[in-house]
Amino acid sequence: DAKTTQPPSMDCAEGRAANLPCNHSTISGNEYVYWYRQIHSQGPQYIIHGLKNNETNEMASLIITEDRKSSTLILPHATLRDTAVYYCIVRVRNTDKLIFGTGTRLQVFP
Amino acid sequence: DAGVIQSPRHEVTEMGQEVTLRCKPISGHDYLFWYRQTMMRGLELLIYFNNNVPIDDSGMPEDRFSAKMPNASFSTLKIQPSEPRDSAVYFCASSQGVFSYEQYFGPGTRLTVT
Repeated sequence: DAKTTQPPSMDCAEGRAANLPCNHSTISGNEYVYWYRQIHSQGPQYIIHGLKNNETNEMASLIITEDRKSSTLILPHATLRDTAVYYCIVRVRNTDKLIFGTGTRLQVFP
Repeated sequence: DAGVIQSPRHEVTEMGQEVTLRCKPISGHDYLFWYRQTMMRGLELLIYFNNNVPIDDSGMPEDRFSAKMPNASFSTLKIQPSEPRDSAVYFCASSQGVFSYEQYFGPGTRLTVT
């Protein structure tokens, strides 16, 4: 079972920041948080991952709370092409398994 | 690199027929994953390999499903006999190294069993 909880859907205006929350209250100390997205009819795509510290790359920023029980993925300037399902995943400890939940369907509108 | 390659992209078959899905991982990647995606169950991990050896097949639904990886550049997922409930999109993904954070997914095979 997925160890994360996400809202089923969100809207965001084009050009604005999209903030996607994720709850992972049962996360263990050495488990990483991953974010993937799936654009319609395509395979999932890796976005970012983190353990404790905030992370940023060319696609997004990841903010992890100090107690690590939740995180937020931030798309700083959403575009129409960011419309997708976003998955927050906690990797199963000591394995390479990613258990995908139901994700958040982000709709970016003009 | 061309990325993960899957074939066929679409497959329509009749119930009871054998179906074989194929995957070519990214060169140099030593992990290969097979997933299935349906509206009802979402994206499920079926099985994964490391260095051509199956590591975890706990997600394989039943004995009708089998997966092989005869070499580092090729894997198959076979369903025999197929049933309508096997209709789904099947994704193959590969990654590099131990606990690699990024899995690269192929475009998927859309299977329809009538």
